[in-house]
Amino acid sequence: SYELTQPPAVSVSPGQTAGITCFGDLLSKQFVYWYQQKPGQAPVLIIYKDSERPSGIPERFSGSSSGTTVTLTINAVQADDEADYYCQSGDITSTHQMFGGGTKLTVL
Amino acid sequence: QVRLVQSGSELKKPGASVKISCKTSGYTFSQYSINWVRQAPGQGLEWMGWMSTTNGDPTFARNFTGRFIFSLDTSVTTAYLQINSLKPEDTAVYFCARYTDSSPYYFDHWGQGTLVTVSS
Repeated sequence: SYELTQPPAVSVSPGQTAGITCFGDLLSKQFVYWYQQKPGQAPVLIIYKDSERPSGIPERFSGSSSGTTVTLTINAVQADDEADYYCQSGDITSTHQMFGGGTKLTVL
Repeated sequence: QVRLVQSGSELKKPGASVKISCKTSGYTFSQYSINWVRQAPGQGLEWMGWMSTTNGDPTFARNFTGRFIFSLDTSVTTAYLQINSLKPEDTAVYFCARYTDSSPYYFDHWGQGTLVTVSS
């Protein structure tokens, strides 16, 4: 079955750059979306269509795509960025959706 | 502004049923379909499926057929998730999430989540 694969955890020091990858066989054909989820809260959309940023999301958050791997990059990481990050994409018909397993970002 | 407000936490016994509501406001209900997403304790997000608010057609993810029912009440712009024959492994936070109004589809607004605990 189709899967999206993320690293379980990424650690970075404040001010550094964090990169979180998401791999899936269909990602060269489908857009990817990224959500940030803090403990006890609902997810929040932070990147759509691989690299677009919704209004209100800081420019420090960016997305890129290369073949079957997409990357969420967080520049100048802050303590407040500590959260779980999930990628999401659709199947080839876009009628079913899927989330990656999530990546816990720890700010050291 | 767009709001999705879910009903409160539920404690149920195995075998019982639960019905969670997702009250929407701030937009035209019929233009945006509603998804449901499950998050088991300490686990990731799992897409359950979606319901068209135009024609009421449901689409379920493979793992969520049979005991799960999506419904709508357009008169009060509310979506519902019902789970029958509850099992302890149904213990999770359930989120409703609004689809965008056109393809490509993703989730642009979320409810706050409803914790369902299944325990004897």
